[in-house]
Amino acid sequence: DQQVKQNSPSLSVQEGRISILNCDYTNSMFDYFLWYKKYPAEGPTFLISISSIKDKNEDGRFTVFLNKSAKHLSLHIVPSQPGDSAVYFCAARGSWGKLQFGAGTQVVVTP
Amino acid sequence: DTEVTQTPKHLVMGMTNKKSLKCEQHMGHRAMYWYKQKAKKPPELMFVYSYEKLSINESVPSRFSPECPNSSLLNLHLHALQPEDSALYLCASSQLLGETQYFGPGTRLLVL
Repeated sequence: DQQVKQNSPSLSVQEGRISILNCDYTNSMFDYFLWYKKYPAEGPTFLISISSIKDKNEDGRFTVFLNKSAKHLSLHIVPSQPGDSAVYFCAARGSWGKLQFGAGTQVVVTP
Repeated sequence: DTEVTQTPKHLVMGMTNKKSLKCEQHMGHRAMYWYKQKAKKPPELMFVYSYEKLSINESVPSRFSPECPNSSLLNLHLHALQPEDSALYLCASSQLLGETQYFGPGTRLLVL
């Protein structure tokens, strides 16, 4: 059963505009959420995280929002840059500290 | 510094070969992880070590054998693999079990 879902497999956005990536989860026991960025043939790079006791965390161009009641997580990237073109995975921490990953969203930033 | 290194970068092996993947971190992290990732899929957890002891084995076939010789090093020994085991093998580490994981670049494995 997939407990973390990224329902948009791809997203195309113009350079300079905002990218919004969404993630839904089903397990209310998840207590920590992360976003990773992945280029082809490389390992995932940690971007930003948020604890379940918060609803927003910001780091430079990246902001993560958490809506616990809706079990929904989103990542905002503003402004989007060509180097942001990558696959973005959201992940949630469950029991034993194990991460459950979503299927990923391919972001393409166009000039 | 959040660097995790993995060697080799690429590996081709036959089904009767024995090979090993190596992962190293010098961040003082006490938890280390092995993941397998197939194309266009999320990483799948294989093994977790905490303080050099195996904490989690996600029902991985015995042809994959992990080893943690010390707190900085994690190996994955491979023997009698199948073509369907071809994938990107990722190592990760975190300060402690359950904390933010930092990934290495991966080893691209092809089993012929």
